[in-house]
Amino acid sequence: DQQVKQNSPSLSVQEGRISILNCDYTNSMFDYFLWYKKYPAEGPTFLISISSIKDKNEDGRFTVFLNKSAKHLSLHIVPSQPGDSAVYFCAATDSGSARQLTFGSGTQLTVLP
Amino acid sequence: DTAVSQTPKYLVTQMGNDKSIKCEQNLGHDTMYWYKQDSKKFLKIMFSYNNKELIINETVPNRFSPKSPDKAHLNLHINSLELGDSAVYFCASSQRLLTATDTQYFGPGTRLTVL
Repeated sequence: DQQVKQNSPSLSVQEGRISILNCDYTNSMFDYFLWYKKYPAEGPTFLISISSIKDKNEDGRFTVFLNKSAKHLSLHIVPSQPGDSAVYFCAATDSGSARQLTFGSGTQLTVLP
Repeated sequence: DTAVSQTPKYLVTQMGNDKSIKCEQNLGHDTMYWYKQDSKKFLKIMFSYNNKELIINETVPNRFSPKSPDKAHLNLHINSLELGDSAVYFCASSQRLLTATDTQYFGPGTRLTVL
């Protein structure tokens, strides 16, 4: 039973446009969410996170939105650049008790020049 | 310098063999992890470990065991390899004691193929 789901395995976007990557979760105890980015033959690298006390967190071109009632979060990248082409993983945890992350299966983003 | 390194990068072996994957971090972190990325691309935690506590994911077979000679190293030993063990294994580390909200730094992964 996958508690974190990324239902789109791939997404293609034109350079300069907005990329929106989606993530859904089922565990209502999750209160901290992260996005990791992974290039081929490398390990995931941390991108941005959000606590459930917020509904938005922004870092440069990257913004994460959290909709707790819908158990949904999204990562917006604007403007998208070819170097953003990578696999993006959503992860979640219950910071109060669980001490491990639960990851989604990732979305391959391709930014076309 | 690579923050989290793993060796080997690729490992091809026969069913039934015993193998080890090594992991080293030079970040001075307290906690290290092993993840398995399965064929469906999910990254699943196998172990979380520091020098005081080991948390084992209950779904991990006891053929898998982490061994830590010191704080900077967490090796993964696998006994009696099975076909289903074929996957990419990632090592990671984080600053504090098993706090999931701390940023985890991942190694490049080891692709294990069991024939």
